[in-house]
Amino acid sequence: EDQVTQSPEALRLQEGESSSLNCSYTVSGLRGLFWYRQDPGKGPEFLFTLYSAGEEKEKERLKATLTKKESFLHITAPKPEDSATYLCAVRGSGYSTLTFGKGTMLLVSP
Amino acid sequence: NAGVTQTPKFQVLKTGQSMTLQCAQDMNHNSMYWYRQDPGMGLRLIYYSASEGTTDKGEVPNGYNVSRLNKREFSLRLESAAPSQTSVYFCATTPGTGISYEQYFGPGTRLTVT
Repeated sequence: EDQVTQSPEALRLQEGESSSLNCSYTVSGLRGLFWYRQDPGKGPEFLFTLYSAGEEKEKERLKATLTKKESFLHITAPKPEDSATYLCAVRGSGYSTLTFGKGTMLLVSP
Repeated sequence: NAGVTQTPKFQVLKTGQSMTLQCAQDMNHNSMYWYRQDPGMGLRLIYYSASEGTTDKGEVPNGYNVSRLNKREFSLRLESAAPSQTSVYFCATTPGTGISYEQYFGPGTRLTVT
């Protein structure tokens, strides 16, 4: 059974204070690790897909990295508008479904 | 393009009532999914349709039924609503071909069962 654990559950940062969110996973044959952003009252918004260890993807202040056991979402010099819940999900070999973690709630204060 | 649309946005039901949640996509995607999201539980898969004409159970299918009406539409039915089904329901789609399995979500339906 695929498992995804995200930490911390909640993170409070000051504007400009860089940090990282963690996604640890166990999966039989990784076929993709996905990061999403979810704003309150809205559906999750797709950010990145990573397929193999060593891969990195960037978008504005966000950079996602992948190892064989975990992924990090690095947030550089965050702004208040980066406040959201960030979700991680994995797809295992042979499956057309994703397994989601419970998310990290990020709050960036001005 | 509207992407993924869901109706209704909000619904209040009494225990025992039935209703159907509608989902439609204009992304020409093959696969569609229904999730529920509860505080502290994350997103849990209810049912999915890997392709038109097929449906499969997810993690929490009890109390629900689905219909893949055509490639664009996937509905979720609650036959006899229970308070435990109070939740936010999300529909999602994915290309479901090759290596493209990132999912795109609708805005959600907020359901309260009293």
